[in-house]
Amino acid sequence: NAGVTQTPKFQVLKTGQSMTLQCAQDMNHEYMSWYRQDPGMGLRLIHYSVGAGITDQGEVPNGYNVSRSTTEDFPLRLLSAAPSQTSVYFCASTLGVGFNEKLFFGSGTQLSVL
Amino acid sequence: AQSVTQLDSHVSVSEGTPVLLRCNYSSSYSPSLFWYVQHPNKGLQLLLKYTSAATLVKGINGFEAEFKKSETSFHLTKPSAHMSDAAEYFCVVKTSYDKVIFGPGTSLSVIP
Repeated sequence: NAGVTQTPKFQVLKTGQSMTLQCAQDMNHEYMSWYRQDPGMGLRLIHYSVGAGITDQGEVPNGYNVSRSTTEDFPLRLLSAAPSQTSVYFCASTLGVGFNEKLFFGSGTQLSVL
Repeated sequence: AQSVTQLDSHVSVSEGTPVLLRCNYSSSYSPSLFWYVQHPNKGLQLLLKYTSAATLVKGINGFEAEFKKSETSFHLTKPSAHMSDAAEYFCVVKTSYDKVIFGPGTSLSVIP
């Protein structure tokens, strides 16, 4: 059972480039989300999805797009990378949408934008 | 509005001594509270969660946390630190699937 899988683990971009961070889960979880982790700020929610075809914005959505065409996959797209998007990105999922559900995290993607 | 304060950005303890990581929260609703641990270059792992059952919650690896509503606190403790406990710890408040607030984290160092 792989859980939540993120690719790539590391990425370096130039300002203005675009890329997609991949996230897949094999637990049939309804809820998937993307966070960014910055020093001293904990994790902040970028976008989330409560099921295939449904997405919504979190706390820091600007500069990022998401889609959810299948239950398993939830890619995060950076349309035009900026240095402010240098961060560690985590994908997470939960089985349901109850507020006491625990989050299952991927191992993260470290992104540097030059 | 929700918020989470972790009172110490860094805690250092000697191996075999108690651990106390402090967390205070603010929430308009009765929240669920979580502690997650992140080891270097790893994803986050759930240590324990409070969901309005018992106020003393036991987690993995000997960690416990006590929910104190009057103090709006959810401090994490462990009687005896182990070298493998060195990591970053996050207190999390959740009132719905889209209202998840992470604290800034506390880095725990364990001195041999």
